Amino acid sequence: KAGVTQTPRYLIKTRGQQVTLSCSPISGHRSVSWYQQTPGQGLQFLFEYFSETQRNKGNFPGRFSGRQFSNSRSEMNVSTLELGDSALYLCASKLTGGGDEQYFGPGTRLTVT
Amino acid sequence: QQQVKQSPQSLIVQKGGISIINCAYENTAFDYFPWYQQFPGKGPALLIAIRPDVSEKKEGRFTISFNKSAKQFSLHIMDSQPGDSATYFCAARREGKLIFGQGTELSVKP
Repeated sequence: KAGVTQTPRYLIKTRGQQVTLSCSPISGHRSVSWYQQTPGQGLQFLFEYFSETQRNKGNFPGRFSGRQFSNSRSEMNVSTLELGDSALYLCASKLTGGGDEQYFGPGTRLTVT
Repeated sequence: QQQVKQSPQSLIVQKGGISIINCAYENTAFDYFPWYQQFPGKGPALLIAIRPDVSEKKEGRFTISFNKSAKQFSLHIMDSQPGDSATYFCAARREGKLIFGQGTELSVKP
Protein backbone atom coordinates (compact mmCIF):
# COMPACT_ATOMS: atom_id res chain seq x y z
CA LYS A 1 0.00 0.00 0.00
CA ALA A 2 1.40 3.38 -0.94
CA GLY A 3 2.27 5.77 1.86
CA VAL A 4 1.27 9.36 2.38
CA THR A 5 2.31 11.51 -0.56
CA GLN A 6 2.88 15.24 -0.52
CA THR A 7 3.38 17.64 -3.39
CA PRO A 8 5.40 19.58 -4.14
CA ARG A 9 8.41 18.38 -2.17
CA TYR A 10 10.21 21.71 -2.35
CA LEU A 11 8.91 25.22 -2.83
CA ILE A 12 10.44 28.69 -2.82
CA LYS A 13 8.15 31.68 -2.40
CA THR A 14 8.51 35.39 -1.78
CA ARG A 15 7.13 37.27 1.21
CA GLY A 16 3.55 38.32 0.68
CA GLN A 17 2.72 35.51 -1.73
CA GLN A 18 0.42 32.64 -0.96
CA VAL A 19 1.05 28.91 -1.30
CA THR A 20 -0.99 25.73 -1.52
CA LEU A 21 0.37 22.37 -0.44
CA SER A 22 -1.23 19.05 -1.26
CA CYS A 23 -1.47 15.76 0.62
CA SER A 24 -2.82 12.37 -0.46
CA PRO A 25 -3.40 10.05 2.50
CA ILE A 26 -2.85 6.31 2.61
CA SER A 27 -5.65 4.56 0.74
CA GLY A 28 -8.60 4.04 3.07
CA HIS A 29 -7.45 6.65 5.58
CA ARG A 30 -10.02 9.35 6.20
CA SER A 31 -8.25 11.58 8.70
CA VAL A 32 -5.53 14.01 7.64
CA SER A 33 -3.50 16.21 9.96
CA TRP A 34 -0.97 18.89 9.15
CA TYR A 35 2.14 19.80 11.14
CA GLN A 36 4.81 22.45 10.83
CA GLN A 37 8.39 21.48 11.66
CA THR A 38 11.09 24.08 12.32
CA PRO A 39 14.44 23.84 14.12
CA GLY A 40 13.34 26.33 16.74
CA GLN A 41 9.76 25.30 17.48
CA GLY A 42 9.94 21.62 16.57
CA LEU A 43 6.84 19.81 15.38
CA GLN A 44 3.65 21.80 15.87
CA PHE A 45 0.09 20.75 15.10
CA LEU A 46 -1.73 22.90 12.56
CA PHE A 47 -5.11 21.22 12.01
CA GLU A 48 -6.90 17.94 11.43
CA TYR A 49 -9.57 17.08 8.89
CA PHE A 50 -11.93 14.14 8.93
CA SER A 51 -14.73 13.56 6.44
CA GLU A 52 -14.15 17.01 4.92
CA THR A 53 -14.63 18.73 8.30
CA GLN A 54 -11.99 20.43 10.42
CA ARG A 55 -11.96 18.60 13.75
CA ASN A 56 -9.05 20.29 15.49
CA LYS A 57 -6.99 23.41 15.08
CA GLY A 58 -3.65 24.40 16.55
CA ASN A 59 -2.44 27.83 17.60
CA PHE A 60 -1.61 29.30 14.23
CA PRO A 61 -2.87 32.55 12.69
CA GLY A 62 -5.78 32.62 10.28
CA ARG A 63 -3.34 32.89 7.36
CA PHE A 64 -3.04 29.12 7.67
CA SER A 65 -6.05 27.26 6.36
CA GLY A 66 -6.88 23.91 4.93
CA ARG A 67 -9.56 21.76 3.44
CA GLN A 68 -10.28 18.15 2.69
CA PHE A 69 -11.97 16.71 -0.35
CA SER A 70 -14.44 13.85 -0.63
CA ASN A 71 -11.61 11.47 -1.64
CA SER A 72 -9.81 12.40 1.64
CA ARG A 73 -7.06 14.32 -0.14
CA SER A 74 -6.21 17.52 1.67
CA GLU A 75 -4.74 20.88 0.83
CA MET A 76 -3.16 23.45 3.08
CA ASN A 77 -2.97 27.12 2.17
CA VAL A 78 -0.81 29.85 3.64
CA SER A 79 -1.58 33.40 2.60
CA THR A 80 0.58 36.51 2.90
CA LEU A 81 3.74 34.50 3.50
CA GLU A 82 6.24 35.67 6.10
CA LEU A 83 9.91 34.72 6.46
CA GLY A 84 9.01 32.79 9.61
CA ASP A 85 6.76 30.48 7.61
CA SER A 86 9.84 28.77 6.18
CA ALA A 87 9.52 25.22 7.44
CA LEU A 88 8.92 21.59 6.61
CA TYR A 89 5.17 21.04 6.36
CA LEU A 90 4.16 17.50 7.17
CA CYS A 91 0.93 15.74 6.47
CA ALA A 92 -0.13 12.67 8.44
CA SER A 93 -3.03 10.30 7.90
CA LYS A 94 -4.87 7.74 9.96
CA LEU A 95 -7.80 5.43 9.41
CA THR A 96 -10.47 7.29 11.33
CA GLY A 97 -10.82 10.43 13.36
CA GLY A 98 -10.51 8.45 16.58
CA GLY A 99 -7.78 6.07 15.39
CA ASP A 100 -4.37 5.83 16.99
CA GLU A 101 -1.69 5.15 14.41
CA GLN A 102 -0.79 8.21 12.42
CA TYR A 103 1.56 7.97 9.44
CA PHE A 104 3.53 10.90 8.09
CA GLY A 105 4.41 11.85 4.55
CA PRO A 106 7.87 13.09 3.51
CA GLY A 107 6.85 16.73 3.84
CA THR A 108 7.02 19.84 1.71
CA ARG A 109 10.04 22.05 2.34
CA LEU A 110 8.85 25.67 2.02
CA THR A 111 11.39 28.47 1.84
CA VAL A 112 10.16 32.06 2.00
CA THR A 113 12.60 34.73 0.77
CA GLN B 1 4.34 26.29 27.09
CA GLN B 2 6.13 23.04 26.56
CA GLN B 3 3.76 20.26 27.53
CA VAL B 4 6.11 17.40 26.63
CA LYS B 5 9.73 17.67 27.71
CA GLN B 6 12.25 15.37 26.08
CA SER B 7 15.81 14.60 27.12
CA PRO B 8 18.59 14.36 26.29
CA GLN B 9 18.82 16.67 23.28
CA SER B 10 21.58 14.51 21.82
CA LEU B 11 22.94 11.08 22.62
CA ILE B 12 26.01 9.14 21.50
CA VAL B 13 25.99 5.39 22.04
CA GLN B 14 28.40 2.65 21.03
CA LYS B 15 27.19 -0.10 18.73
CA GLY B 16 25.55 -2.83 20.77
CA GLY B 17 24.76 -0.50 23.65
CA ILE B 18 21.41 0.62 25.05
CA SER B 19 19.98 3.99 24.02
CA ILE B 20 17.57 5.58 26.49
CA ILE B 21 15.47 8.65 25.75
CA ASN B 22 13.15 10.16 28.33
CA CYS B 23 10.00 12.24 28.15
CA ALA B 24 7.92 13.91 30.80
CA TYR B 25 4.44 15.37 30.39
CA GLU B 26 2.25 17.69 32.39
CA ASN B 27 -1.31 17.10 31.27
CA THR B 28 -3.07 14.03 32.64
CA ALA B 29 -5.61 14.19 29.79
CA PHE B 30 -3.10 12.70 27.34
CA ASP B 31 -4.38 9.31 26.16
CA TYR B 32 -1.79 7.97 23.73
CA PHE B 33 2.01 8.16 23.63
CA PRO B 34 3.83 7.35 20.38
CA TRP B 35 7.50 7.51 19.49
CA TYR B 36 8.63 8.56 16.05
CA GLN B 37 11.96 8.14 14.26
CA GLN B 38 13.04 10.67 11.67
CA PHE B 39 15.92 10.46 9.21
CA PRO B 40 17.23 13.56 7.43
CA GLY B 41 15.01 14.54 4.53
CA LYS B 42 12.23 12.18 5.58
CA GLY B 43 9.01 12.49 7.51
CA PRO B 44 8.72 11.00 11.00
CA ALA B 45 8.03 7.25 11.03
CA LEU B 46 5.93 5.66 13.77
CA LEU B 47 8.16 3.40 15.82
CA ILE B 48 6.14 2.20 18.79
CA ALA B 49 3.30 3.55 20.91
CA ILE B 50 1.62 2.95 24.25
CA ARG B 51 -1.59 3.82 26.06
CA PRO B 52 -1.50 4.97 29.70
CA ASP B 53 -3.11 1.79 31.05
CA VAL B 54 0.00 -0.22 30.10
CA SER B 55 3.36 0.08 31.90
CA GLU B 56 5.59 -1.42 29.23
CA LYS B 57 5.46 -2.37 25.58
CA LYS B 58 8.16 -4.14 23.62
CA GLU B 59 8.55 -4.50 19.87
CA GLY B 60 11.78 -6.10 18.76
CA ARG B 61 14.69 -4.03 20.05
CA PHE B 62 12.42 -1.12 21.04
CA THR B 63 10.71 -0.86 24.43
CA ILE B 64 8.52 1.87 25.91
CA SER B 65 8.41 2.14 29.68
CA PHE B 66 5.51 4.17 31.04
CA ASN B 67 5.17 5.57 34.58
CA LYS B 68 1.73 7.12 34.93
CA SER B 69 2.19 8.39 38.49
CA ALA B 70 5.43 10.16 37.59
CA LYS B 71 4.02 11.33 34.25
CA GLN B 72 7.10 10.01 32.48
CA PHE B 73 7.78 7.61 29.66
CA SER B 74 10.94 6.44 27.98
CA LEU B 75 12.20 4.68 24.88
CA HIS B 76 14.86 2.01 25.20
CA ILE B 77 16.71 0.81 22.12
CA MET B 78 18.54 -2.41 22.85
CA ASP B 79 21.61 -3.53 20.87
CA SER B 80 21.79 -0.12 19.20
CA GLN B 81 23.04 -0.16 15.60
CA PRO B 82 24.55 2.56 13.37
CA GLY B 83 21.37 2.36 11.28
CA ASP B 84 19.44 3.58 14.35
CA SER B 85 21.21 6.95 14.07
CA ALA B 86 18.33 9.38 13.61
CA THR B 87 16.26 11.94 15.49
CA TYR B 88 13.67 10.50 17.85
CA PHE B 89 10.53 12.29 18.96
CA CYS B 90 8.18 11.39 21.75
CA ALA B 91 4.63 12.65 21.55
CA ALA B 92 1.47 12.74 23.61
CA ARG B 93 -2.05 13.01 22.29
CA ARG B 94 -4.86 15.12 23.73
CA GLU B 95 -8.17 15.68 21.99
CA GLY B 96 -6.80 14.19 18.81
CA LYS B 97 -3.75 16.48 18.64
CA LEU B 98 -0.21 15.16 18.95
CA ILE B 99 2.08 17.31 21.10
CA PHE B 100 5.71 16.53 20.35
CA GLY B 101 8.85 16.68 22.42
CA GLN B 102 11.79 18.64 21.06
CA GLY B 103 13.58 15.58 19.73
CA THR B 104 16.74 13.63 20.53
CA GLU B 105 19.49 13.27 17.98
CA LEU B 106 20.91 9.76 18.42
CA SER B 107 24.27 8.80 17.01
CA VAL B 108 25.38 5.18 17.24
CA LYS B 109 29.13 4.77 16.78
CA PRO B 110 30.44 1.60 15.14
